[in-house]
Amino acid sequence: EADIYQTPRYLVIGTGKKITLECSQTMGHDKMYWYQQDPGMELHLIHYSYGVNSTEKGDLSSESTVSRIRTEHFPLTLESARPSHTSQYLCASSDSTGVGQYFGPGTRLTVT
Amino acid sequence: AQSVSQHNHHVILSEAASLELGCNYSYGGTVNLFWYVQYPGQHLQLLLKYFSGDPLVKGIKGFEAEFIKSKFSFNLRKPSVQWSDTAEYFCAVSDYKLSFGAGTTVTVRA
Repeated sequence: EADIYQTPRYLVIGTGKKITLECSQTMGHDKMYWYQQDPGMELHLIHYSYGVNSTEKGDLSSESTVSRIRTEHFPLTLESARPSHTSQYLCASSDSTGVGQYFGPGTRLTVT
Repeated sequence: AQSVSQHNHHVILSEAASLELGCNYSYGGTVNLFWYVQYPGQHLQLLLKYFSGDPLVKGIKGFEAEFIKSKFSFNLRKPSVQWSDTAEYFCAVSDYKLSFGAGTTVTVRA
């Protein structure tokens, strides 16, 4: 079934650890996005990709990095997690027209 | 769990017409409310938000929304649309988790 997946759903980790948040979609979408959302607040775009080997930073500055080696996979990495990174991270994808955006279930990250 | 209902799936109107998009949510507690817009080929952008205070909220590009607590509603309005307002509009509600409505596609004919 075509869908967008994120793992892990919840992660509690100590300061200084390296983490990778996984995002995969089986819809064949060219465009993928990472958003950050603090509880009760709006989404902020932190990274996006319009295709393989294409990545761009979003509206909100983030210390995370992303890669797009395969169309279906768009992982986000934090080299050294800090408490300020505690947030929810939402991955999304859309087709080449960009009409409609499908969201993953999100990863809720807590850095202690 | 919070549910967000947007009344219209697709709205088609002419330039200079007025636009109103309905949004209702299910949760009766304290929530923050948002309208997002996605223009063709672009990512989601925040149009406006309501946290507290004046229930009539002004956003970008001439949009406004009114929060009516008794009706659990947060309807989006624009008095006079332009062709460039053609986009998909999403209502979102956040208590601890952000929940989106299904979206309304707005097509403005020149």
